[in-house]
Amino acid sequence: LAKTTQPISMDSYEGQEVNITCSHNNIATNDYITWYQQFPSQGPRFIIQGYKTKVTNEVASLFIPADRKSSTLSLPRVSLSDTAVYYCLVGGAYSSASKIIFGSGTRLSIRP
Amino acid sequence: DAGVTQSPTHLIKTRGQQVTLRCSPKSGHDTVSWYQQALGQGPQFIFQYYEEEERQRGNFPDRFSGHQFPNYSSELNVNALLLGDSALYLCASSLEGQGPRFNYGYTFGSGTRLTVV
Repeated sequence: LAKTTQPISMDSYEGQEVNITCSHNNIATNDYITWYQQFPSQGPRFIIQGYKTKVTNEVASLFIPADRKSSTLSLPRVSLSDTAVYYCLVGGAYSSASKIIFGSGTRLSIRP
Repeated sequence: DAGVTQSPTHLIKTRGQQVTLRCSPKSGHDTVSWYQQALGQGPQFIFQYYEEEERQRGNFPDRFSGHQFPNYSSELNVNALLLGDSALYLCASSLEGQGPRFNYGYTFGSGTRLTVV
């Protein structure tokens, strides 16, 4: 399973765009990149998933360069409610049998 | 559409006791995974159940065991509790055979907060 490296913490202000980068140098050809968000005392929540280039949904964008050795989660115009821990995960491409392994995540703090 | 339901939400046990945590997967899901999350850390994979069998296991001792029932619900049992077992225990459900895309990932419950004193 590919190991991921993320910043331990980040700070930003309301209304700003936040970009969290994750390194995954040993990503395999079949691996997808998935980001989860977790609030205190709650389970992680799926945010976005991608394989290459760019993926966008209603809450975030995911940018993946051609070599796929890193990815960037982009949160547009953050609010206080985006304060959470964000996890980058790699793997789990073909079936649920591919267990997902969490790293330590990035603790994002949004200030007024 | 009900999500993942875990019970109880909070639990206090004494060292040496045994505990059983329960999980009902999201409607339509057939696979259940259990995670342990200590304060300030990421979730650690305990094991995964599919078709009532343990399919994968993380680096946890045999004191941690589980079961999956025909209705896909699952239990996590921990024997001989240690202070270090205090954590948030998360259950995640998913659907086997979703195809090549891990589309919407796992659906997690809100967890059971276990405190061992």
